Amino acid sequence: EVQLVESGGGLEQPGRSLRLSCAASGFTFHDYAMHWVRQAPGKGLEWVSGISWNSGSPGYADSVKGRFTISRDNAKNSLYLQMNSLSAEDTAMYYCVKSMAATIPEYFKEWGQGTLVTVSS
Amino acid sequence: QSVLTQPPSVSEAPRQRVTISCSGRSSNIGNNAVNWYQQLPGKAPQLLIYYDDLLPSGVSDRFSGSKSGTSASLAISGLQSEDEADYYCAAWDDSLNNWVFGGGTKLTVL
Repeated sequence: EVQLVESGGGLEQPGRSLRLSCAASGFTFHDYAMHWVRQAPGKGLEWVSGISWNSGSPGYADSVKGRFTISRDNAKNSLYLQMNSLSAEDTAMYYCVKSMAATIPEYFKEWGQGTLVTVSS
Repeated sequence: QSVLTQPPSVSEAPRQRVTISCSGRSSNIGNNAVNWYQQLPGKAPQLLIYYDDLLPSGVSDRFSGSKSGTSASLAISGLQSEDEADYYCAAWDDSLNNWVFGGGTKLTVL
């Protein structure tokens, strides 16, 4: 059974940084692309970033480009999202999402339960 | 403003059929597969339809998907109260080099 467990969320002040982690199990992690998708309170889904199986050419939404960095450690079956220069607009539930294939443009197959990030002074 | 356009809400009576539309452009729906996700209240989204019209294992065949040109639709037949949820369409956008979502449609079973 695929399990994706996010951690690292919490309350942070504007301008500060947070690092999210996602521990994956139940599948061969290094075979699949992974993504972060977020959902602001009461709002819809927004793709944040994706990374292919070998970490080549990660993609970012314009809203986070230059501030967020996605990475993965295939040896540790883990996905990360380094979030810098946080603003109130980054307040959201952040979901770790497994792709159905090795590259970014393939559909999202399984989702974690999410970790909540709140940016407020 | 979402790149893909969905109606904010739809409603229908139990045992009836409802459709949810998703409109895009050539760079996304017109050139790539559409996928649909169901988000039950308080839960994470889950895959409902992939590659326009395919059902993942375990998803009821009351759900179906279709696509024509730059628009796609999700149909739910034999509506049940447990179908009340938010539904999102998604597609890869070749111009943006991004995944794009619809704004979501809240389904109410009357």
